[in-house]
Amino acid sequence: GAGVSQSPSNKVTEKGKDVELRCDPISGHTALYWYRQSLGQGLEFLIYFQGNSAPDKSGLPSDRFSAERTGGSVSTLTIQRTQQEDSAVYLCASSLASIGSGANVLTFGAGSRLTVL
Amino acid sequence: LAKTTQPISMDSYEGQEVNITCSHNNIATNDYITWYQQFPSQGPRFIIQGYKTKVTNEVASLFIPADRKSSTLSLPRVSLSDTAVYYCLVGDRHILTGGGNKLTFGTGTQLKVEL
Repeated sequence: GAGVSQSPSNKVTEKGKDVELRCDPISGHTALYWYRQSLGQGLEFLIYFQGNSAPDKSGLPSDRFSAERTGGSVSTLTIQRTQQEDSAVYLCASSLASIGSGANVLTFGAGSRLTVL
Repeated sequence: LAKTTQPISMDSYEGQEVNITCSHNNIATNDYITWYQQFPSQGPRFIIQGYKTKVTNEVASLFIPADRKSSTLSLPRVSLSDTAVYYCLVGDRHILTGGGNKLTFGTGTQLKVEL
């Protein structure tokens, strides 16, 4: 696609429910990133994919968080047994390369705003 | 990890030049320096990238000293629409180990432009 698409744009859920957030990166972008941004805060790195593999999962806040990427394209971020502190905007980004000058040029989606009641 | 430090906020007036400096004392040899702009309710948007010396594009300039331990984003003649949060990003890559590419953003600088 022309840009990075994320869905849903808004999600309100009850504490304890599972949620799934989807990211469709720019076609041909091999690297994909998930970040979390709480209200008024900076971006917190969650996980990075190169192709379908995630070499670094250390940014995931707890074992309730997981992510996968299939076909080198779409990625899903799953949060199990959501808690109120999970409320935030979840941003996905993709880049054409994972090393070199292009690696830092990320194109972000508009984000998925998650509210846990 | 190449951590970055930026001022939390800056104020300016329309037509002024704004310079935002980012410190990154632990920058690695292969790391590039990239700046992003973020408006409310939007994802960050790429502005400019550099490795050393000076880079200029249609919206900004980036100055990087020889030691590369800091960088300065320069916005010429800002307008109200430049009010946003500006992030400095320095890549944290593990090329030799083939590991991840944990690109860690700093806290950002909230720029407020007034008439």
